[in-house]
Amino acid sequence: GAVVSQHPSWVICKSGTSVKIECRSLDFQATTMFWYRQFPKQSLMLMATSNEGSKATYEQGVEKDKFLINHASLTLSTLTVTSAHPEDSSFYICSAKTGARGTDTQYFGPGTRLTVL
Amino acid sequence: AQSVTQLGSHVSVSEGALVLLRCNYSSSVPPYLFWYVQYPNQGLQLLLKYTSAATLVKGINGFEAEFKKSETSFHLTKPSAHMSDAAEYFCAVSRNSGNTPLVFGKGTRLSVIA
Repeated sequence: GAVVSQHPSWVICKSGTSVKIECRSLDFQATTMFWYRQFPKQSLMLMATSNEGSKATYEQGVEKDKFLINHASLTLSTLTVTSAHPEDSSFYICSAKTGARGTDTQYFGPGTRLTVL
Repeated sequence: AQSVTQLGSHVSVSEGALVLLRCNYSSSVPPYLFWYVQYPNQGLQLLLKYTSAATLVKGINGFEAEFKKSETSFHLTKPSAHMSDAAEYFCAVSRNSGNTPLVFGKGTRLSVIA
């Protein structure tokens, strides 16, 4: 149980284009999903917290107009990188939290590697 | 603010030897603590978690960790390393309430030598 998927797993795009990444909880409902970014050989840094039916909460320094997050249902959150540039190339990982309070266990997707040419 | 410090960015052990990956945390509230493993080009897999129950936590793949409040530590151990244990390991902390994100350490890369 508690499986999270991401699509696509790998994407290459041209500078200036937009890329959408999907994060799905396959066998549970996730009221909250988190988006992390990981640069090579570095740790995960939280980008934003996404709650179903409400606006995402972005971490300081993350441009909300560049990284658009939509959490339209209890099983799907999307991250759209708008007008991508080479510096946006990174590994993007989402996680989903089950609804039970107090457990605070997050289940991670396999990640999406974005390369912007 | 919560934080996690992982001592040693790279640990190398021989196959069959003890694995010890160190993690110290800082938290102003009772923490939840986690260890995750990441294989190349993959997401994170939960190894184990501490959520204020037993201080010795057993996880998957033979790993365990002990929560020591007096030392603010949550070190990860495995009695006998296997080649398949070679990966990146992340310690993480969160507040024990609500929908809180995880704060990760910088990670420790474990190499296992045959």
